[in-house]
Amino acid sequence: QSALTQPRSVSGSPGQSVTISCTGTSSDVGGYNYVSWYQQHPGKAPKLMIYDVSKRPSGVPDRFSGSKSGNTASLTISGLQAEDEADYYCCSYAGSPYVFGTGTKVTVL
Amino acid sequence: QVQLVQSGAEVKKPGASVKVSCKASGYTFTSYGISWVRQAPGQGLEWMGWISAYNGNTNYAQKLQGRVTMTTDTSTSTAYMELRSLRSDDTAVYYCASSTVTHDAFDIWGQGTMVTVSS
Repeated sequence: QSALTQPRSVSGSPGQSVTISCTGTSSDVGGYNYVSWYQQHPGKAPKLMIYDVSKRPSGVPDRFSGSKSGNTASLTISGLQAEDEADYYCCSYAGSPYVFGTGTKVTVL
Repeated sequence: QVQLVQSGAEVKKPGASVKVSCKASGYTFTSYGISWVRQAPGQGLEWMGWISAYNGNTNYAQKLQGRVTMTTDTSTSTAYMELRSLRSDDTAVYYCASSTVTHDAFDIWGQGTMVTVSS
C-alpha cells in the first residue's frame, strides 16, 4: 500500500485560506468516505482535525474543513492563524490497513 | 480526563525485541480499538496495526506481519505492542491511538515512545 500523495509544503499569510490535497486511488481515498486529517506540531503527537471526510471533532475550530472528489481529498484552513503552522497528514481506510499521506508543512508567512 | 500514557524511551540492539505499553484512562477501555502508528525521524506517519480491546482481534500492516504482536490487558486497561528482530530502520517514535469518536479515525493519542535501534 503506497502512501497518499500530498504537497510537500503550502504557505499563506494570516487571514488567508490554504488548501492541502491528498491524492490516492480507488482502493483507498476514492473507495471509502473514511478520510481523516491530523495536525502535528514539532515534537508533539498528532491531533485529529477532520474525520469521515468532512466532520470536525469537538473543539476543532470551524476554520478547518474537509472535502473529497474522486480519489482526492482536501483540507482547507480558512482565516489562517499563526498557531496553524504545523505538519498535516491525511489518512484513509484502505480495505484493511490504513494509509497515511506523505505530509504537508503549512507555513504562516 | 481521557488519555493514553505510554512507557518510556528504549534503546535496543539489532535483532532484539521491544515491548511498548499504552495505559488508557478516562474512558471504557474495552469499548474501542487501539492502533499503533510510528514515525521515523524526520519522516511521516506509518500505521502499524490495530487491536480490539473488546475481544483481542488484530489486524497488522502487511510489512510487519510476523514481527509484530499487539495485545491488551483489560484488567489494567493497557495495550502492548511488541516488535521483534529489530533493525536500524525500526528507529522511530511509536504512538498508540484510540478511536473513540469513530472507528475509522484516531482521536486520542499517547505521548509517543522513542525506540532507538543501534549497535
